[in-house]
Amino acid sequence: GQQLNQSPQSMFIQEGEDVSMNCTSSSIFNTWLWYKQDPGEGPVLLIALYKAGELTSNGRLTAQFGITRKDSFLNISASIPSDVGIYFCAGHRSGGGADGLTFGKGTHLIIQP
Amino acid sequence: DGGITQSPKYLFRKEGQNVTLSCEQNLNHDAMYWYRQDPGQGLRLIYYSQIVNDFQKGDIAEGYSVSREKKESFPLTVTSAQKNPTAFYLCASSPKRRMTSTDTQYFGPGTRLTVL
Repeated sequence: GQQLNQSPQSMFIQEGEDVSMNCTSSSIFNTWLWYKQDPGEGPVLLIALYKAGELTSNGRLTAQFGITRKDSFLNISASIPSDVGIYFCAGHRSGGGADGLTFGKGTHLIIQP
Repeated sequence: DGGITQSPKYLFRKEGQNVTLSCEQNLNHDAMYWYRQDPGQGLRLIYYSQIVNDFQKGDIAEGYSVSREKKESFPLTVTSAQKNPTAFYLCASSPKRRMTSTDTQYFGPGTRLTVL
């Protein structure tokens, strides 16, 4: 199965900095989802995007569904220590193949004091 | 509380033994999924079920089996045929039988399986 290209693989930032990560695919997706995973836990849904061009915010998080439907980005503003974790993008293509999600490999966010 | 539960949190088995991982949800969701996660990797779909008594193979179904006898339960058996079973296993569910453009998937806390 295809995996999404997620970048960067890891980020080392200072507390208070803004963060940006993105996912790209050679295939069109109808839904883009962003999850955060803490070590040893299941992913928690952060933002769901359902329409091309959609821009959605959830507190300090903002995500966009690319116009081409082949990409999405997630921004975190004014990072805080609890933002540490692994962020995954996931896409869903309706109407074909397995009905699960296709995941990126994750962006590991590390915040330096 | 509504949610998805997986048990146990940690599981150890000897090589060659079958092992069954539990997944229960009380969200009244139709669809349930099993994913596998390896270090530094994203999640990969093993099996999914859209309705009771029906399930479909995902991208990496070889060496695994599932059943869906009840709406709220979707156990996964890791068989001895699975060549590299040590991994973190995640169960998920979504409200509708077929994930639509307005659906999401919600995950359980995971089971870490180690085969010795």
